[in-house]
Amino acid sequence: GQQLNQSPQSMFIQEGEDVSMNCTSSSIFNTWLWYKQDPGEGPVLLIALYKAGELTSNGRLTAQFGITRKDSFLNISASIPSDVGIYFCAGLPVGSNYKLTFGKGTLLTVNP
Amino acid sequence: EAGVAQSPRYKIIEKRQSVAFWCNPISGHATLYWYQQILGQGPKLLIQFQNNGVVDDSQLPKDRFSAERLKGVDSTLKIQPAKLEDSAVYLCASSFNIGGATSEQYFGPGTRLTVT
Repeated sequence: GQQLNQSPQSMFIQEGEDVSMNCTSSSIFNTWLWYKQDPGEGPVLLIALYKAGELTSNGRLTAQFGITRKDSFLNISASIPSDVGIYFCAGLPVGSNYKLTFGKGTLLTVNP
Repeated sequence: EAGVAQSPRYKIIEKRQSVAFWCNPISGHATLYWYQQILGQGPKLLIQFQNNGVVDDSQLPKDRFSAERLKGVDSTLKIQPAKLEDSAVYLCASSFNIGGATSEQYFGPGTRLTVT
C-alpha cells in the first residue's frame, strides 16, 4: 500500500518558537490534509490542500502542497501551549477513491 | 453544524466477548469511514461506505469484524469475538464525497476499546 513518511516523529520546543513538519511519499497525491489530535479525541482537520504549489494558512498555521505532488509541509508560527498534540498528515493518492493514507504523526510538546 | 457522533466513548471487555460501536455522521455526508488507531500510529482504514454500499473493506478482518450502514446514515461496527490485539481507538469519519466535491474527512471523538 501507499506509504507516507512524516517527520520529525516528535518535537520539543519553547513557547513562541516556530515549528515545521513534513510528509513525503514516493507516490503522487491529489490532496493533502493536515490534522491535529488531542489526547482522547479524534483528529481535527486543520488545513486541506488540493493543488500542487498551493500555500494555505489557517491562523498561525501554514501548509503547502509540494510542486512534485509527493510532499507537503506544515508550519506553526509563534507556538503556544495549546498547540501541544499529535499532528498527522494525510494524503489522497491518485485513483484512491477517497481512501486517505495517514502518516504516523508528529508529537509536538511546547514548553511554556 | 453538529459533528460526527460516536458512542460509547470507552469500552472494556474480556477477550472472546463481542462489542458494538455506533456512529452518526455529519448530516448530508454520503461517505462514512471506520478507522482503527493503535497507540502511537495513524488511523488505519477498516471500511468505507458510500451511502449504504461498501466501497472498500480490504483491511477489515472479516472473520471477526462486521459493519453495516443499512439506511445510508448511521453505522455500526461490531467485533465478535474480540482479541487482545483489538485494543485500540475506533474512529468514525464522514465526508461529502458526491461528484468529487471534496475529500475532507471529519472525525468523531472515537471509542477507546480495551480488551483484557
